[in-house]
Amino acid sequence: EAGVAQSPRYKIIEKRQSVAFWCNPISGHATLYWYQQILGQGPKLLIQFQNNGVVDDSQLPKDRFSAERLKGVDSTLKIQPAKLEDSAVYLCASSLGPEPGGELFFGEGSRLTVL
Amino acid sequence: AQSVTQLDSQVPVFEEAPVELRCNYSSSVSVYLFWYVQYPNQGLQLLLKYLSGSTLVESINGFEAEFNKSQTSFHLRKPSVHISDTAEYFCAVSDLGKGGKLIFGQGTELSVKP
Repeated sequence: EAGVAQSPRYKIIEKRQSVAFWCNPISGHATLYWYQQILGQGPKLLIQFQNNGVVDDSQLPKDRFSAERLKGVDSTLKIQPAKLEDSAVYLCASSLGPEPGGELFFGEGSRLTVL
Repeated sequence: AQSVTQLDSQVPVFEEAPVELRCNYSSSVSVYLFWYVQYPNQGLQLLLKYLSGSTLVESINGFEAEFNKSQTSFHLRKPSVHISDTAEYFCAVSDLGKGGKLIFGQGTELSVKP
């Protein structure tokens, strides 16, 4: 069974530029999450989708971050314009459903460096 | 609001020694508890979880964790570590009533030396 796929693995940009990350979850997984992991910290949830609807985006900086999951499968996370403090690893995860206690399956992450 | 505190950022140990990685959580409601592991250059993987029932849960590779409600702790232990256990370990909680999202601790880097 294929795991969660993310791309690109690495991205270096200058501040004020834009960047987009792509995630393809495990087939059949209805719930998709984007987490931000800053160096030395644990992952922080940015947004949770259930199919193509947003369940939780309370910690997404909506002035610069956006995410979509138009067909309820793959998802894109965009940052525009990027700031230095956005340097982090962006993790995508998926699960069968939103029920508490279910296992989240993570991709390898997309590492962003903002110069 | 929920929070998770991992009390040690780095734990160096020698091979075959016992290890304990400490995790405390704060929540006003009942929670599920998890340990995830991240090996170098890999994604996070579920190690073990506590949902209900026996407060002692085990993984397939010899780790165990005990849920202690009175101390709000979920410490991870292994009686004898191997070089291959070198990784970053994350404790996480999930609110029973708020979907499947996880709140993670800061992580503990376990370094096993020969």
